[in-house]
Amino acid sequence: SAVISQKPSRDICQRGTSLTIQCQVDSQVTMMFWYRQQPGQSLTLIATANQGSEATYESGFVIDKFPISRPNLTFSTLTVSNMSPEDSSIYLCSVRTASYEQYFGPGTRLTVT
Amino acid sequence: GENVEQHPSTLSVQEGDSAVIKCTYSDSASNYFPWYKQELGKRPQLIIDIRSNVGEKKDQRIAVTLNKTAKHFSLHITETQPEDSAVYFCAGYDNFNKFYFGSGTKLNVKP
Repeated sequence: SAVISQKPSRDICQRGTSLTIQCQVDSQVTMMFWYRQQPGQSLTLIATANQGSEATYESGFVIDKFPISRPNLTFSTLTVSNMSPEDSSIYLCSVRTASYEQYFGPGTRLTVT
Repeated sequence: GENVEQHPSTLSVQEGDSAVIKCTYSDSASNYFPWYKQELGKRPQLIIDIRSNVGEKKDQRIAVTLNKTAKHFSLHITETQPEDSAVYFCAGYDNFNKFYFGSGTKLNVKP
């Protein structure tokens, strides 16, 4: 398994501002992902964080709104830009091991007022 | 991409009874099927998984079965306990290295 930490665990932000979420893994992993989970809903993949290259975004998510960095194999950041109340959600980073097992970070609960 | 459908959305059982949650998938190339348990306010946790070369896998009170021909897989929990109460998600994995999650099943085990 992998030990994953995220910072911050929660934040309350004003609309129009940006928040950067950090994800740290205790071992090198090839695949890192960012998900969003609305209350009572399933997990929606935002993007795959690629080490050394631009992230791969899912339909409905764009780089200008959710820029992602992946400077090395243990760290990634997701920025939620120009926030609106609709961005209020839980954001989770995730890693997948070589044997396909996928593990999640504890999540960042974002509230936009 | 893969499309994973999960049923039922809610399931209520009496403590000690069995619970079954079913998922279907669309991509015949999918070859790995995990199940996650998410307690309120917590992260999803991997509880069991199955690969396409296996028909069934058990881990104590939890088992997963896979029918590749019908493209469905199921989670079976026997002798349910109140601590099994949570939301359970299935997922399918496609050849583009992405997981697709089902919509979730809220399991309530009544003492």
